[in-house]
Amino acid sequence: EPEVTQTPSHQVTQMGQEVILRCVPISNHLYFYWYRQILGQKVEFLVSFYNNEISEKSEIFDDQFSVERPDGSNFTLKIRSTKLEDSAMYFCASSELTGREQYFGPGTRLTVT
Amino acid sequence: KQEVTQIPAALSVPEGENLVLNCSFTDSAIYNLQWFRQDPGKGLTSLLLIQSSQREQTSGRLNASLDKSSGRSTLYIAASQPGDSATYLCAVCPYGNNRLAFGKGNQVVVIP
Repeated sequence: EPEVTQTPSHQVTQMGQEVILRCVPISNHLYFYWYRQILGQKVEFLVSFYNNEISEKSEIFDDQFSVERPDGSNFTLKIRSTKLEDSAMYFCASSELTGREQYFGPGTRLTVT
Repeated sequence: KQEVTQIPAALSVPEGENLVLNCSFTDSAIYNLQWFRQDPGKGLTSLLLIQSSQREQTSGRLNASLDKSSGRSTLYIAASQPGDSATYLCAVCPYGNNRLAFGKGNQVVVIP
């Protein structure tokens, strides 16, 4: 069964460094998303992406964040200058169409020291 | 802003008992509602999706109901097993956008 994959599974970085989290959505899906979950808190929406541009973003998704689909399969989330409070589990998801079931990847645990 | 609440936050049941997990949301203008399972430190596994026009959805031992007008959904797990121990998350997709709004989850322990 097709699934969303994410790499790396765990990333440790120092404050102020740039990180890129990678995702491969399900191949025939058109909508891609990033969410994050800070330990002990709710899963929060960050951004959605369709037709090579951002379709929605939350207040969390400020200028430090960017997303890109560099080729036909990968979808990336870049954090330009990491802060301690960026430590969280980051989930990528995809859906076939708008308003449809979203399928989540296994997540990347980001630890900022 | 859509707010999603799940009650109870945690529960323990003996193996074989039926589980009833509740989710409430504040805005009834939704596309759909999804129930997910999350194991500790792991990703989210989609269990059931209920479209806004549906009243319930079933998959094996799982049954989810939706009462959109009152802003409630219930997940029933029949004849619980130790392998059902996990956190169950409810997420609502608001009408007009794709940003899922999640509850904090129901943490379930099934005691053998």
